[in-house]
Amino acid sequence: GESVGLHLPTLSVQEGDNSIINCAYSNSASDYFIWYKQESGKGPQFIIDIRSNMDKRQGQRVTVLLNKTVKHLSLQIAATQPGDSAVYFCAENTGANSKLTFGKGITLSVRP
Amino acid sequence: DTGVSQNPRHKITKRGQNVTFRCDPISEHNRLYWYRQTLGQGPEFLTYFQNEAQLEKSRLLSDRFSAERPKGSFSTLEIQRTEQGDSAMYLCASSLRTGGYEQYFGPGTRLTVT
Repeated sequence: GESVGLHLPTLSVQEGDNSIINCAYSNSASDYFIWYKQESGKGPQFIIDIRSNMDKRQGQRVTVLLNKTVKHLSLQIAATQPGDSAVYFCAENTGANSKLTFGKGITLSVRP
Repeated sequence: DTGVSQNPRHKITKRGQNVTFRCDPISEHNRLYWYRQTLGQGPEFLTYFQNEAQLEKSRLLSDRFSAERPKGSFSTLEIQRTEQGDSAMYLCASSLRTGGYEQYFGPGTRLTVT
């Protein structure tokens, strides 16, 4: 995939505001998508997933939206908290083995 | 803690040495994945096991890399004749064969080759 080097795109939001993190995926045959959160020095943490037969799924404070027409995925975080500060990755699955292809990470920075 | 565990968490080795990492998946998960992550990038798929069978390997997995899952439980990833370019975080993930495709990741092993 395309490299962004050491400098990930950053989204800075005020504590309490809503955050929207966007992702463009590459494979129109992908049937399953996941959002992961990764804090420094830790492995990716599962947040929420969505299958290709859905266009919206809600969890606790998070919503994932899928637009297959333009191959776009978004993660909405309500009432963003300092603990939400992390790098966020979208991942897509294609194929029987369920291996994941990760998108470019986005750093979310929450201002107190 | 019933999550995915990996050991060691950190490994510093000299170029040319062999290293081995271990992954213990969530106990009822029969699918196990290895990924590699370099600074500023998302994880990249290396290889996949269903039970003890290694079913897919990425072209990223050169001949110096070998992975095993002998009893369908824990897995090891060995890198022979390490190179500086092998420096990365090596992540293990596991999932259930049936049901959802959710992959749960371990904390990773940070490899530094000097």
